[in-house]
Amino acid sequence: DAKTTQPTSMDCAEGRAANLPCNHSTISGNEYVYWYRQIHSQGPQYIIHGLKNNETNEMASLIITEDRKSSTLILPHATLRDTAVYYCIVRVDFDTGTASKLTFGTGTRLQVTL
Amino acid sequence: NAGVTQTPKFRILKIGQSMTLQCTQDMNHNYMYWYRQDPGMGLKLIYYSVGAGITDKGEVPNGYNVSRSTTEDFPLRLELAAPSQTSVYFCASSYGVGRTETQYFGPGTRLLVL
Repeated sequence: DAKTTQPTSMDCAEGRAANLPCNHSTISGNEYVYWYRQIHSQGPQYIIHGLKNNETNEMASLIITEDRKSSTLILPHATLRDTAVYYCIVRVDFDTGTASKLTFGTGTRLQVTL
Repeated sequence: NAGVTQTPKFRILKIGQSMTLQCTQDMNHNYMYWYRQDPGMGLKLIYYSVGAGITDKGEVPNGYNVSRSTTEDFPLRLELAAPSQTSVYFCASSYGVGRTETQYFGPGTRLLVL
């Protein structure tokens, strides 16, 4: 399984862009990078995913390096409600069927401040 | 849609007691999952199901049992509660349509075993 490495914590001022890095140097060519976040004690929430191209949705942008060994999640205008733990996950398929196993590490705790 | 619902929200068990954590989804998802999250840690997969009547073990299945008699419900059973099972339990579901599937999580059940 591809492992991910994320900083333990980061701070960001409200209204500024939050750039959360993730290293996944052993990623395989057919593995996707997923980002989830967990606000306080709630269930994780899907943010975005990508394979090798940059992706953008209403929540965030995902920048994946050309060699796919690292990626950056960008929250363009962070608000206090974006304070959460952010998980970078490389999606691994089960051996049977196509159900996915999401391996959650400890993530990055993002604190957005006034 | 209510999404993924879990009951109860919180429960205290004595060592050796048993209980069932309920999980229901109304999105007609084929795949369902149970995770546990210990304090300060990421989520670990306990069991998963790719459809009614089909279940399989995840990373930490010992001490738990599951069943999947309908598409909507995926209960998790603890037969002999132990202090090591004190955790927050999250149920999730997904369409299961391939590599780009995303998982939707419930609000969690907080379990304390004394």
